[in-house]
Amino acid sequence: KAGVTQTPRYLIKTRGQQVTLSCSPISGHRSVSWYQQTPGQGLQFLFEYFSETQRNKGNFPGRFSGRQFSNSRSEMNVSTLELGDSALYLCASSLSLRTGGKLDSPLHFGNGTRLTVT
Amino acid sequence: GQQLNQSPQSMFIQEGEDVSMNCTSSSIFNTWLWYKQDPGEGPVLLIALYKAGELTSNGRLTAQFGITRKDSFLNISASIPSDVGIYFCAGQRSNDMRFGAGTRLTVKP
Repeated sequence: KAGVTQTPRYLIKTRGQQVTLSCSPISGHRSVSWYQQTPGQGLQFLFEYFSETQRNKGNFPGRFSGRQFSNSRSEMNVSTLELGDSALYLCASSLSLRTGGKLDSPLHFGNGTRLTVT
Repeated sequence: GQQLNQSPQSMFIQEGEDVSMNCTSSSIFNTWLWYKQDPGEGPVLLIALYKAGELTSNGRLTAQFGITRKDSFLNISASIPSDVGIYFCAGQRSNDMRFGAGTRLTVKP
């Protein structure tokens, strides 16, 4: 069974540009959530999508957005890039809503997209 | 952000030694998870715990869900060089999930 796939693995952008990252969840998983990982802040939750709807959102500015398609694949977009956006962006999928339901299903992470903003 | 207290921050041990790390919180969680992350890779799920007091093993790894539901422990027995990496705990409840800052493990051959 294929794991969570994120593309691209590495990305270099300049300030002011925008970027789109892609995530394909494990087959059958309907929830996709996104995280930003930096050495200083660790893992921080960005947002979660389930059935093409954003279900929960972390404390990030509106420059960070996402969407989910009918096949559960998800994209994350960051507009007007800033130097501080340099980070490893991780996507994770799970069977059910990470943030809901009585039976929490664990997250399975992809290998991430390393974004460098210069 | 990180709202779980994970300790120690780092460990340097000899191959063959046992390792213990833990996570504590001021809040109750329904699920505790332990992940390992290698450099340049995403976290990989090691153990998931769903019930207070539960003790679960995965090979040389053993984790426990604290009886108060506010803590969890991970033990690695007879460490080997490939155990090197960063270990993260995560606490999950219906509308919230938080991560520890990680324990960086170095194993000397």
